[in-house]
Amino acid sequence: GENVEQHPSTLSVQEGDSAVIKCTYSDSASNYFPWYKQELGKRPQLIIDIRSNVGEKKDQRIAVTLNKTAKHFSLHITETQPEDSAVYFCAASIRRRADSWGKLQFGAGTQVVVTP
Amino acid sequence: ETGVTQSPTHLIKTRGQQVTLRCSSQSGHNTVSWYQQALGQGPQFIFQYYREEENGRGNFPPRFSGLQFPNYSSELNVNALELDDSALYLCASSLDSGGSQETQYFGPGTRLLVL
Repeated sequence: GENVEQHPSTLSVQEGDSAVIKCTYSDSASNYFPWYKQELGKRPQLIIDIRSNVGEKKDQRIAVTLNKTAKHFSLHITETQPEDSAVYFCAASIRRRADSWGKLQFGAGTQVVVTP
Repeated sequence: ETGVTQSPTHLIKTRGQQVTLRCSSQSGHNTVSWYQQALGQGPQFIFQYYREEENGRGNFPPRFSGLQFPNYSSELNVNALELDDSALYLCASSLDSGGSQETQYFGPGTRLLVL
């Protein structure tokens, strides 16, 4: 089955700097890659996602890049702010086909701390 | 915030007991997935329900079972609770339009403590 590895496990950045989180996946059939942000005691919230027919996607200060050949994808946060402090999870999924289903396989998470 | 709700928010049980957790999916969504999130870890897929049938299962024993109702809400049942079942249980709803599965939106979770 799919295996997703996420690095680093913790990331400390100064406010205004950039943060990069990297994930690798094992199943080349995976074609949907969401990123979730989870604040302490709260639900995971989708912040951005990318499908395998796209190499990069950007939404304001957040961007995700995908390298299908190398089977890795990354989250980039620019101009970090204290409210960006949270745990970030990457995930991979195979788009549902007639004989498949959209199980999300999550990475272990990255604790991001943004210091003022 | 998503329109996905879960109840109860917290629950304390003892080993061997049974528990039922509930999830109401977001309006317009027809698929519910359940995940177990142990402290400090990523969510682990338990199973998914689509059109009231189990539509895929992760590596969880049969004492984890579920149900989906005609209004697409869902229940997760866990029998013979073990200490390791202590975790945050998340449900996520999504729309399966027949061609692909779209984004999964999570509920706030139920925190289960087994003593």
